[in-house]
Amino acid sequence: DTEVTQTPKHLVMGMTNKKSLKCEQHMGHRAMYWYKQKAKKPPELMFVYSYEKLSINESVPSRFSPECPNSSLLNLHLHALQPEDSALYLCASSQTGQGEANEKLFFGSGTQLSVL
Amino acid sequence: AQSVSQHNHHVILSEAASLELGCNYSYGGTVNLFWYVQYPGQHLQLLLKYFSGDPLVKGIKGFEAEFIKSKFSFNLRKPSVQWSDTAEYFCAVMSPNTGFQKLVFGTGTRLLVSP
Repeated sequence: DTEVTQTPKHLVMGMTNKKSLKCEQHMGHRAMYWYKQKAKKPPELMFVYSYEKLSINESVPSRFSPECPNSSLLNLHLHALQPEDSALYLCASSQTGQGEANEKLFFGSGTQLSVL
Repeated sequence: AQSVSQHNHHVILSEAASLELGCNYSYGGTVNLFWYVQYPGQHLQLLLKYFSGDPLVKGIKGFEAEFIKSKFSFNLRKPSVQWSDTAEYFCAVMSPNTGFQKLVFGTGTRLLVSP
């Protein structure tokens, strides 16, 4: 299994809603990532978990709250989002995050989020 | 801080034409370089990567890229494109010291191949 699975594929939410994005991998990877990708733009790193600990938070607003319950799962909890938060949210994973020569970064297909 | 520039934002080619997409990075130290492809509606996939050794790297689907250290460049090439190569292409760079936790993407090049 070389997949990163994200659910849901599409999500529409109001500015007062609370929702969660889910990401799962069963490759034994110990680094997991959340990226945000606006249309026609490159992915922007939001958070990195390394060995289930938050190692990087790229100054993301607190209305985005990541959670790593175990080494296979990564969640992104959403609350009080703004319309400008509408984007494709990508999850990725890699073996350790340290960038060794044989390490690869695997991306999920993303959750297309629309905030109304 | 590292940065990546992709000069061609949109490229339109006919099938069988040759392709070269530019990528330049700014970082003074050792770098690892990547090209990713995103087909319409699909996830990002790794085309090829350079870590060390031969600066001419061959990837999947007939793509190759050449690392020219003196020019800080890592251009992507394919001798003959197909309609199925229509996609967005992202160059990316990271330092071995920070790994994927500090992977920086370029702005992307949207390739349209007409049949």
